[in-house]
Amino acid sequence: DVKVTQSSRYLVKRTGEKVFLECVQDMDHENMFWYRQDPGLGLRLIYFSYDVKMKEKGDIPEGYSVSREKKERFSLILESASTNQTSMYLCASTARLTGANVLTFGAGSRLTVL
Amino acid sequence: DQQVKQNSPSLSVQEGRISILNCDYTNSMFDYFLWYKKYPAEGPTFLISISSIKDKNEDGRFTVFLNKSAKHLSLHIVPSQPGDSAVYFCAASWSGTGTASKLTFGTGTRLQVTL
Repeated sequence: DVKVTQSSRYLVKRTGEKVFLECVQDMDHENMFWYRQDPGLGLRLIYFSYDVKMKEKGDIPEGYSVSREKKERFSLILESASTNQTSMYLCASTARLTGANVLTFGAGSRLTVL
Repeated sequence: DQQVKQNSPSLSVQEGRISILNCDYTNSMFDYFLWYKKYPAEGPTFLISISSIKDKNEDGRFTVFLNKSAKHLSLHIVPSQPGDSAVYFCAASWSGTGTASKLTFGTGTRLQVTL
């Protein structure tokens, strides 16, 4: 089974802090994604990466950056956390980007910014 | 601009009855549609998909119907079971290769199956 592991399940941070969310997948997938899930807004794509050191902005990249130094690891960085970044963050991966994008998701990281 | 919409935020159905979850889309380039199911404190998991060359796809108790002219798809669960209680997300993509084919998700419908 493909596993996508998000190391932090729950985090509480203060406004202005730098936050790192880590994601690791163990199936050698090329493509990795960061989404956030908010009530009434569904899942919105923040960033994705289609190869090591390659990244592309999703629909809501403002306030976020990403890092992919190794194929299995994709990090989401909040340079200066704000209260409107309180959310559930979901990492996902898939082997190939085709129409049939069956993503495998991690369990999520719930971030609260005070 | 919400390209994939699920207009019912919640749905309650009795055990054994049919659950029908609806999804509308606006982008005519979409040609592949998926449903994901999400339990609390877990990530979404893939449930069923359909290509635009079909109008129906079945997998056990789950059937997805696609009406391209109406830009509408629906997920039918028959019979509904308490374990089906979850949030269901509809998602769409187009089959261009590469980064263009990333998924666009709907807002989700919370299904509660009551005893």
